[in-house]
Amino acid sequence: DAGITQSPRHKVTETGTPVTLRCHQTENHRYMYWYRQDPGHGLRLIHYSYGVKDTDKGEVSDGYSVSRSKTEDFLLTLESATSSQTSVYFCAISESGDSSTDTQYFGPGTRLTVL
Amino acid sequence: AQSVTQLGSHVSVSEGALVLLRCNYSSSVPPYLFWYVQYPNQGLQLLLKYTSAATLVKGINGFEAEFKKSETSFHLTKPSAHMSDAAEYFCAVRDTGGFKTIFGAGTRLFVKA
Repeated sequence: DAGITQSPRHKVTETGTPVTLRCHQTENHRYMYWYRQDPGHGLRLIHYSYGVKDTDKGEVSDGYSVSRSKTEDFLLTLESATSSQTSVYFCAISESGDSSTDTQYFGPGTRLTVL
Repeated sequence: AQSVTQLGSHVSVSEGALVLLRCNYSSSVPPYLFWYVQYPNQGLQLLLKYTSAATLVKGINGFEAEFKKSETSFHLTKPSAHMSDAAEYFCAVRDTGGFKTIFGAGTRLFVKA
């Protein structure tokens, strides 16, 4: 299994509070991704990173920000959590991003509940 | 724009029966196509991928999928279902040269004894 950990694994928070989720990898892969998984929607890309300090928006980026100060860590921040952000969040990594042989490896997920 | 449609949010088969999970895609350029499996409370694991080599792709756990350009389909099959195959399966597409992978809504497979 790819060395990807996510923390925390579970979190319950209240509307309006800031939340930061962490993804840590030991594979030295260049690309990292944050997805959210909701019933009936599959996985939707929130943000991704193609290197240290290089990030870009995905399809559902509103209300989220990210940071990547080191290759191994990719942080997802909800500045002011809302109930619509209750979801399961997955981090993924990949080595090259756009080659035909590139594969995304997924972390175990973080279940976030916003009350 | 890319999109993926998985037909059937739930599929139920008997143990030993054929598994067929359907996936149709839309892409303006030749795509890369993937099937992932997710077991309860786990992340996604790659089953197989199509990257423009052979149209019949074999994956792990006895699964295979066939790329049919004329039908824009990439259906997943397994000749004989096992209880351990019960999971959720996601089809995904990525444009060649693109970074972003688009996932289908998922199909939950139930296997009856």
